[in-house]
Formats: sequence, structure tokens, C-alpha cells
Amino acid sequence: DTAVSQTPKYLVTQMGNDKSIKCEQNLGHDTMYWYKQDSKKFLKIMFSYNNKELIINETVPNRFSPKSPDKAHLNLHINSLELGDSAVYFCASSQAQGVTEAFFGQGTRLTVV
Amino acid sequence: GESVGLHLPTLSVQEGDNSIINCAYSNSASDYFIWYKQESGKGPQFIIDIRSNMDKRQGQRVTVLLNKTVKHLSLQIAATQPGDSAVYFCAENGGYGQNFVFGPGTRLSVLP
Repeated sequence: DTAVSQTPKYLVTQMGNDKSIKCEQNLGHDTMYWYKQDSKKFLKIMFSYNNKELIINETVPNRFSPKSPDKAHLNLHINSLELGDSAVYFCASSQAQGVTEAFFGQGTRLTVV
Repeated sequence: GESVGLHLPTLSVQEGDNSIINCAYSNSASDYFIWYKQESGKGPQFIIDIRSNMDKRQGQRVTVLLNKTVKHLSLQIAATQPGDSAVYFCAENGGYGQNFVFGPGTRLSVLP
């Protein structure tokens, strides 16, 4: 059973499009995250979502929005995609924010052309 | 945006040797630290953690050392194997209950 699963694994799309990446965790964790990893492998947190409280990294453009239909899911919507959005996006979850380790999904490689 | 100006440090070691990967963290309020391993095409995977009330913690073939005075963390891997080849990240929590911040990562290459 995959603990944190995200789909799709690869996503190629044109500039200006709107796309979504889905994430589900079956660990019963209270906190979920989205991270962005650039071509130099630098990992940067975008959002954390804990008990309906959303914490946004202030550097994330508002074209990015997380949506959590329930505690086990945190989807990422991206509007008006730009070339610079190309990266690998990771979903993760943890029992508690900053107190226990995070479990990561396999990543979604987004390529904007 | 991109991590302009940053590069991914690389450490090459012979199979069977010990590896030491270093990390300087930035926030003196951080009280929980984690080392992650990321293999090609996969997400980061937990290796070992340490809390600020400790200065050393050992796992299977791995040891983490924490020096709070100089804000330094290291990961030691004993008898490095080809399967240890990956990018290794340290992460600090910036204080209790805060979101983890990841270091820039180090690529470990194990030579036959």
C-alpha cells in the first residue's frame, strides 16, 4: 500500500493552461504539505495544511491554490501556468507539523512548454 | 523560483568506506532535525532524526551528530554501499511546530 500517492507522475502542458495534481495519504496524518523541487534539487515548501488551517509560503504566487476535500487529500491547482512553474512537485504528510517526520509521495514532474 | 547561485555539492566515496555528509542549519530556534535520502525519480525518504536535547543518535549504519554551538549537523554512513548513492538532505523545523526547511542537498556517489 502506498502511503502518500500523487497523480499524475508526469504532466506536460502548455503555458496559460490550468492543471491540478492530486494527493492522497492513507497514514491517518493530520498535516499535509506541498513542496516544489527545482532543477538544482532545491526543496522549498509551498503550503502546509493542518486541521483546516492553511499556511502559505509568502513567496508562492496566488496562481497556486491547495484544495483539501478531507483530511486524507490535498490537491494542488495551478492557474495560468508559466514556464518557470516547471519543476517536480512533492506532496507529503506528517502526524504533526514540524514535530514528526514527513512522508513524501513519488513526485509529479511538471513541464510547461 | 529557481535556486539561483546554489549548486548541489557532490561527495564521492569508495564502496566500503565511511561517508560523512555535512549540513549547516540556520535557525537557532530549531529543535528537531531530519536527514532524508532521495533516490533518482523518487521522493525524499526519512533516514534518521535527532532532537535538540541530544548530540548524537545512531541507527543502522547511520549516525547523526548535532553541534548546536556552531549550528552544524552531520550524517555518517558506515561501510557505504552502491545503494547509498542518492541526494541527501538535512531539514530543520525552525522551532517547535514550525514547517521544515530543507538544506540544499548533497549528492553521494559510491564508486566501485
